[in-house]
Formats: sequence, structure tokens, C-alpha cells
Amino acid sequence: DSGVTQTPKHLITATGQRVTLRCSPRSGDLSVYWYQQSLDQGLQFLIQYYNGEERAKGNILERFSAQQFPDLHSELNLSSLELGDSALYFCASSVDGGDTDTQYFGPGTRLTVL
Amino acid sequence: AQSVAQPEDQVNVAEGNPLTVKCTYSVSGNPYLFWYVQYPNRGLQFLLKYITGDNLVKGSYGFEAEFNKSQTSFHLKKPSALVSDSALYFCAVSYMEYGNKLVFGAGTILRVKS
Repeated sequence: DSGVTQTPKHLITATGQRVTLRCSPRSGDLSVYWYQQSLDQGLQFLIQYYNGEERAKGNILERFSAQQFPDLHSELNLSSLELGDSALYFCASSVDGGDTDTQYFGPGTRLTVL
Repeated sequence: AQSVAQPEDQVNVAEGNPLTVKCTYSVSGNPYLFWYVQYPNRGLQFLLKYITGDNLVKGSYGFEAEFNKSQTSFHLKKPSALVSDSALYFCAVSYMEYGNKLVFGAGTILRVKS
């Protein structure tokens, strides 16, 4: 158990809908990351937050947004969902967001868009 | 741009035999390299990382990795494979530009047969 929690574990929804994925980092970690894992794209970095502030952006669609709250938990919002958004979404956390930091991953949320 | 390559989609090894999962990298600047393992329906588990210093890095579950700067490689090794080592293995490089992210290889499936 990495200490990173994600809810829900599974999410099934329809095209056009909006969903929210939630992540709680390990105790003491200030930085949160979101990744998407799909068969065709592999593991792709989406976005990083550090202590409530956006730090880095990757291949995140404009339909997707995220935030990190004062208690350091984070939410990833996916809207106007398309079939291609079906994937496993991982949250990770690290102590201070530096490039030598170890990122610890949560169990993921499996999103299925029908 | 930083990238890693895992040249083998799958590696098969007999239980008790040594195993190697290959990874090569392309980075500008100092390479910070990581190995993660993913079991079915689970998140990624951190195995080990190379930041600086000794080229042989020891990690969890008896795994180790050898950093070779001249060959730009960071191969994962274990002296004696277990059936329970069967999983998907990812090599990653840490990339810091306006924040931090991990860039992952495509992954290598390791199958250990008894």
C-alpha cells in the first residue's frame, strides 16, 4: 500500500457526461500528479500540483481540469466525455515535487465511457 | 526531450534463472531514472531509482538496476526470478521543466514460468 488513495475505483458513464476523480496524497506529501494509462497511449503525464498551485502541465485536454485543495487532496474533472477517454487514471504524490523525488502511485480509477 | 525505450514487449524466464528487463534513455542533463512494477488491476509500485553515485542500485523485492552512462542504459535485474515477479515493468525518467513529471517507457511484460 503506497498510502495514496483514489476514489472511486471504477466509474462507468456515458458520452457527454462529466465526472470527478478524487485523490488523497500520502501524509506529508505536498505534490500531486495525475497520469492517464491507456492501451494506445501508454502512461501519459497530465498535470502536477504543488501545495495548491499548478506546477506543470502535460498532455491534458482542455475538457479536463484539476485542482489541489488546502488539505492537499486533489480532484481531476473530466467533462464532455468521449469514448476515447476510457482509461485508467492514476494519481501520484511526492514530498516536494522535485525531479529526484520518488512518486508514489495510488491504485487508480478505471473510467469506462459508453 | 527526455525519453526512455524498453525494446522488449515481453521477457520470458524460468523460475530460478536470472532476469533482465532492458531500458535505454535519452536525456539532456543529468538522468534521474526509475523502475516501477504494475500487477494486474493494481497501481504502479516503486522499485528503485538512480540519482547519482554508485552505478548499481538496489531496490525492493531483490531487484537491482545497473546504470551505464556510456550505453545510456538502465537495465533492471534480479539474480533469481520468482513466479510472483510476473508483472508489467516500466522504466521512467524524471523530467523537470516548469515542474516535474515522469516520462515512461511502453512497458515490458515479464513472465516467469515454473
